Amino acid sequence: ETGVTQSPTHLIKTRGQQVTLRCSSQSGHNTVSWYQQALGQGPQFIFQYYREEENGRGNFPPRFSGLQFPNYSSELNVNALELDDSALYLCASSPPGGADTQYFGPGTRLTVL
Amino acid sequence: QQQVKQSPQSLIVQKGGISIINCAYENTAFDYFPWYQQFPGKGPALLIAIRPDVSEKKEGRFTISFNKSAKQFSLHIMDSQPGDSATYFCAASGRGGGADGLTFGKGTHLIIQP
Repeated sequence: ETGVTQSPTHLIKTRGQQVTLRCSSQSGHNTVSWYQQALGQGPQFIFQYYREEENGRGNFPPRFSGLQFPNYSSELNVNALELDDSALYLCASSPPGGADTQYFGPGTRLTVL
Repeated sequence: QQQVKQSPQSLIVQKGGISIINCAYENTAFDYFPWYQQFPGKGPALLIAIRPDVSEKKEGRFTISFNKSAKQFSLHIMDSQPGDSATYFCAASGRGGGADGLTFGKGTHLIIQP
């Protein structure tokens, strides 16, 4: 059984640029959640996708947006990057009927210069 | 406002000892309390989780104790091993479907000395 995968592993961008991060959910999982983890901190919830629609959102501005595809994979898009967006971005998938049971991928390390 | 407070920030335990990490929450709507283990450069891995209808759950060397009236829960690692050295996060969620996401504590850096 394949777990949650994310790409790319690392990414370096410049302030003001846009970035797209990708996530493939674990086999059989239909809900995807995204988190931002700053260095030395716990993950912070960005949003959750279910049935290709945003199902819930944390305290993040609209320049953080996402998509979920029919195969349950997902993208996180961040526009107008700021230095504070430098963090580990984590994707988590959940099985049907268990959206709070979340299994995390390895993350994408984003550095904004 | 931090909704899940975790302590201690760091912990050193001798091999074979018991590691204890504590968390307290404020939101009474929380109904799911997982613990995650994270190694450097990796994503968090789900260790064990509990719901408020039970006061304790044990899986192998890991036990969650839950006190609903005090709004506190803790992770106990029995017979701690050097391979348990990692950062541990408690978390909580509510609204059933998890659509509000998991709210995490700030983490505990655990070191098991051989």
